[in-house]
Amino acid sequence: DGGITQSPKYLFRKEGQNVTLSCEQNLNHDAMYWYRQDPGQGLRLIYYSQIVNDFQKGDIAEGYSVSREKKESFPLTVTSAQKNPTAFYLCASRLDRGNYGYTFGSGTRLTVV
Amino acid sequence: QQQVKQSPQSLIVQKGGISIINCAYENTAFDYFPWYQQFPGKGPALLIAIRPDVSEKKEGRFTISFNKSAKQFSLHIMDSQPGDSATYFCAASIWNQAGTALIFGKGTTLSVSS
Repeated sequence: DGGITQSPKYLFRKEGQNVTLSCEQNLNHDAMYWYRQDPGQGLRLIYYSQIVNDFQKGDIAEGYSVSREKKESFPLTVTSAQKNPTAFYLCASRLDRGNYGYTFGSGTRLTVV
Repeated sequence: QQQVKQSPQSLIVQKGGISIINCAYENTAFDYFPWYQQFPGKGPALLIAIRPDVSEKKEGRFTISFNKSAKQFSLHIMDSQPGDSATYFCAASIWNQAGTALIFGKGTTLSVSS
């Protein structure tokens, strides 16, 4: 079955550490997105990528980095520069023509300990 | 200009009642308006979407009403069921424009009491 796989489901980070969240899709979608979800804040866009080796900052990119070396993969690194990283992180993808519907992964909950 | 304002923040409805969630936008270039449903610990799933060339779209118990002049759109859930208890997000974007992404409202937590 096609879909988006995010891993791990739960992640704990110590202060000052970088952590990488994985997002893999087998839908042959062109565009991929990272959103951050906090209670009462909705979904806020961190980064997105329309094609391999290209990505754009979203509204809250500070303290995060991404790469898009393969069409199927769009990992997100939460760096030590992100002062408040505890949140639920969602990866999404869509086919970049015709159907505009996003497919979301099941999310990664990151907690700073 | 890029915001989508959603209300109410939370909603409690009796089983069998109608749930209504409202959204408003400012950017007149937006022309794609989806609604997503999210259960706890899961990613959002597309529920229903509308383009501004129609004023209403219905899929089963879910209906989007769209008012282009007022720049508002709403989700109506008819005959609300306990299984509809979830968080609902409205969103907006520009259809098929490269380099854009969905802008989401802050969400409405719906509780349907039995």
